[in-house]
Amino acid sequence: AQSVTQPDIHITVSEGASLELRCNYSYGATPYLFWYVQSPGQGLQLLLKYFSGDTLVQGIKGFEAEFKRSQSSFNLRKPSVHWSDAAEYFCAAAGSYQLTFGKGTKLSVIP
Amino acid sequence: NAGVTQTPKFRILKIGQSMTLQCTQDMNHNYMYWYRQDPGMGLKLIYYSVGAGITDKGEVPNGYNVSRSTTEDFPLRLELAAPSQTSVYFCASSPEGGNTIYFGEGSWLTVV
Repeated sequence: AQSVTQPDIHITVSEGASLELRCNYSYGATPYLFWYVQSPGQGLQLLLKYFSGDTLVQGIKGFEAEFKRSQSSFNLRKPSVHWSDAAEYFCAAAGSYQLTFGKGTKLSVIP
Repeated sequence: NAGVTQTPKFRILKIGQSMTLQCTQDMNHNYMYWYRQDPGMGLKLIYYSVGAGITDKGEVPNGYNVSRSTTEDFPLRLELAAPSQTSVYFCASSPEGGNTIYFGEGSWLTVV
């Protein structure tokens, strides 16, 4: 069965520190991969996506993600976190017709 | 830029009542979806549609029904509401399967 795993339920970082959110997928073939962000009470906003090609993908708000086929991972990174980055982050993988989501990682930022 | 529009944003239902969550998109996308989000559980697919007149069940379809009479609209019907249906519901659309999915802002439903 297709699955997406986000091992960290909650991460706290200090403002200005670097960030890495982990994501692992289990699919029959390399799926399309996405990271979404959700602020409290809001919908989901697409941060970045990987379809093929360069394994380092740049997104909005200074985020990037690296696809590693050997590790079945698609980790999200940001060099310097801002207080406004506090939100919940979802990794997702696309099969033929739908997205399968991880359970999310909640990010808290300490001023 | 309207994108995906859901109504209502908030609703309280009594057990056994029925209601319809409306969803419309103006991007001419073929694929539309309904997800529910529960705390700590991520998003789970309820139903999806690959085009007008075509719908199929997702991971958690029980207690829900959908229809897709037009490309733009994809309403979600709750029959005989139960407390287990208290959740946040997201409608979404994409131009084709496996492509970027665009989400509405969500509908918060409480069943009491």
